[in-house]
Amino acid sequence: KAGVTQTPRYLIKTRGQQVTLSCSPISGHRSVSWYQQTPGQGLQFLFEYFSETQRNKGNFPGRFSGRQFSNSRSEMNVSTLELGDSALYLCASSFDTGGHGYTFGSGTRLTVV
Amino acid sequence: AQSVTQLDSQVPVFEEAPVELRCNYSSSVSVYLFWYVQYPNQGLQLLLKYLSGSTLVKGINGFEAEFNKSQTSFHLRKPSVHISDTAEYFCAVSDRPGTASKLTFGTGTRLQVTL
Repeated sequence: KAGVTQTPRYLIKTRGQQVTLSCSPISGHRSVSWYQQTPGQGLQFLFEYFSETQRNKGNFPGRFSGRQFSNSRSEMNVSTLELGDSALYLCASSFDTGGHGYTFGSGTRLTVV
Repeated sequence: AQSVTQLDSQVPVFEEAPVELRCNYSSSVSVYLFWYVQYPNQGLQLLLKYLSGSTLVKGINGFEAEFNKSQTSFHLRKPSVHISDTAEYFCAVSDRPGTASKLTFGTGTRLQVTL
């Protein structure tokens, strides 16, 4: 059974650019969540999608956005990149019957220079 | 709002010794509790979870945790650690019982196992 796949694994962008990260959940999982991990702030929730609808959103500026497609694959976009956006971005999927726990991908390491 | 406190940022331990990683949470409602492990350059792997029922939860790799509602704690234990257990461990709480949505994480505990 394939796990959660995130692409790309590593990314280097310049300040002011925008970036799109991709996440393919485990087959059959309908919920996809995104988290940002930094040494200073730790793991922070970005947003969650279920059946193409955003169900929950964390406390991040509007530059951070996401979407989910009909096949449950999800993308997150960060516009006007800032140096502080450098982080490991983790995607997690769940079947979403409550409490099953999320399965995380290996993450995308974004470096903004 | 939920919050999670992991009291120890680093825990050094010798191989084959027991270990306890501490986790306390605050919440005004019932919660789901999780422990995740992160190895270098990897994502998070679920070790165990408490949803309801027995307060002693057994997970993978010989880990277990005990939910203590009165002390709002969910400490992780292993009776005998191995070098391969060296990793970062995160305690997390769900703020939406029933949907397990939006995990709130602690700051992590670095477990360093040495010979």
